[in-house]
Formats: sequence, C-alpha cells, structure tokens
Amino acid sequence: GENVEQHPSTLSVQEGDSAVIKCTYSDSASNYFPWYKQELGKGPQLIIDIRSNVGEKKDQRIAVTLNKTAKHFSLHITETQPEDSAVYFCAASPPGGADGLTFGKGTHLIIQP
Amino acid sequence: SQTIHQWPATLVQPVGSPLSLECTVEGTSNPNLYWYRQAAGRGLQLLFYSVGIGQISSEVPQNLSASRPQDRQFILSSKKLLLSDSGFYLCALGTAGNTIYFGEGSWLTVV
Repeated sequence: GENVEQHPSTLSVQEGDSAVIKCTYSDSASNYFPWYKQELGKGPQLIIDIRSNVGEKKDQRIAVTLNKTAKHFSLHITETQPEDSAVYFCAASPPGGADGLTFGKGTHLIIQP
Repeated sequence: SQTIHQWPATLVQPVGSPLSLECTVEGTSNPNLYWYRQAAGRGLQLLFYSVGIGQISSEVPQNLSASRPQDRQFILSSKKLLLSDSGFYLCALGTAGNTIYFGEGSWLTVV
C-alpha cells in the first residue's frame, strides 16, 4: 500500500518569511495529492490539491509542486502570517481509491511574530 | 456545497460503556463516507469507510464498528469502550476524484 513521509515535523519561521513542507510517497500509481490545514480542536480543512497531470498549482500565498519522477510534492507558503500557524497534513491517493487517503504525520507550523 | 454534521462534539465516557457517534452529510448523494481517528501525536488513522448503504470496510481491527443505515448517515459504535479508544474522531466524505472533506470532529475521553 501507499506510504507517505512528511518533513519536518515542526517548522518555526518568522512572520513574513516563507515556509516549505515536503512529502514523499511510495506508490507510483497515486495521482491525487491534497494538503490540509488543521487548527487546534478542529477538523482538517482542505487548502489546496494537485493532480498528477499538473506540476504546480497556486492559490494566493500557497502553492504546491509535484515531482512525479522523484515521487515527492511540497507545500509552499509565502509571506507567512500568524493565522498560518497550524498543523499541516499532506496526503496521497491512488486512482479509484475509495478507501480514502494516506496521510503524512503532519507538520506543526509556528509563525513567530 | 457539502456539509458534514457530527455529534456529539465532546463526550466523556467510562471504560466499558457503549459509544455512538453520528455523522450526517448534506449536499451530495451516494458519497463515500469515512471515520478517521486522531490520537495524541496528530496522525490520522482510517478506521472505516463506506461506499454505500450497508457497505462497510474496516481498516483496523478493534472493538469499534460502523454502520450506514441511510445514504447520508454514518455511525461509529462500540459496545464496551477501552481507555485506548480516547481520541479525536473525524467523519469525512469523499467526492468524485477522491477529494475528501472532514467534519469538525468529536472528542472522546474514556475514563
């Protein structure tokens, strides 16, 4: 089955700087890669996703890049703000995967004022 | 757009007591539904998923069970809770293309 590794487990950046979180996956058939943001005491919220026919996707200050050859994908947050502080999860899903997503273990992003 | 309702939001139950967590969804038909658990340490563990009424697949053997009596209703149950069942339980729905949306979760503390 799929295995997703996520790094780092904790990331502290100064407000206004950029943050990068990286994930690798094992199943070359996986073709869908979402990112979730989870604030304390709440359910994870989908913030951006990418499919394997695309190399990069941007939405305002966040972007995701995918390298299918190397089987890794990354989340980039620019101009970080205090409200970006949260736990971020990456995930991967094979085609037709009704059994859901395989998640990384999460990255606790801390934005220092 | 889809909406996921989960209840109760918080509960404290003694060891050996039964459990029932309920999830209902709106704004979609015949969705895939999921129960995840998030223990301390923040990882997300898939417990059950369902592709239709009465169809349940279990990912992890445990003393929990799930049922889907209606298209938009998914229930997580236990006959006798263990201390290790404590955690944050999340209902989720899957749309076409494997996009998954989570509810707000239910905090369970077994004492």
